[in-house]
Amino acid sequence: ETGVTQTPRHLVMGMTNKKSLKCEQHLGHNAMYWYKQSAKKPLELMFVYSLEERVENNSVPSRFSPECPNSSHLFLHLHTLQPEDSALYLCASSQDVGGGQPQHFGDGTRLSIL
Amino acid sequence: DAKTTQPNSMESNEEEPVHLPCNHSTISGTDYIHWYRQLPSQGPEYVIHGLTSNVNNRMASLAIAEDRKSSTLILHRATLRDAAVYYCILKTSYDKVIFGPGTSLSVIP
Repeated sequence: ETGVTQTPRHLVMGMTNKKSLKCEQHLGHNAMYWYKQSAKKPLELMFVYSLEERVENNSVPSRFSPECPNSSHLFLHLHTLQPEDSALYLCASSQDVGGGQPQHFGDGTRLSIL
Repeated sequence: DAKTTQPNSMESNEEEPVHLPCNHSTISGTDYIHWYRQLPSQGPEYVIHGLTSNVNNRMASLAIAEDRKSSTLILHRATLRDAAVYYCILKTSYDKVIFGPGTSLSVIP
């Protein structure tokens, strides 16, 4: 039990589909993150939310649209994705965005784009 | 680019100590040193972190060089469940995080 739950665990979608990834944390944390992990590449930070406000957007294409309705939930809305977007998408949370705060990760959503 | 460098892979015998090195020569005064590990088909798991002093917890110990340009993660007795990719990262107060490729640790029974 990691305290960070991601659904679905696996998702296959066509390039014209629209889908959403969901992340929920039960740790009372105020910061949440989306990461992308492609095969044989390091984790890439995509978005950071602190107290439901986006504080970091690392030049992510607009076909990825995050949403943080409250401090416990984080979504990643997907539309018109490309084959190179196939990857493991990881959600994480931390008490706040301070450097001394460890991040707690979910087990990710494995996304495959047909 | 990642601000840390680690060996690509290491091997250890089961029940022996393991020392995983990390170089971070461009570390700034506000950077914390964090270690995570990732098992296959799982998300990264937090292991330990520190700023200047050595740290111990139930999972591992972190030894930080006096000049803070390098650190070592110490697993006191490696088990088969410790086989994973270990990431050393620097984390600033604004939480800009860059992961490198990490060290793949193999544990030999």
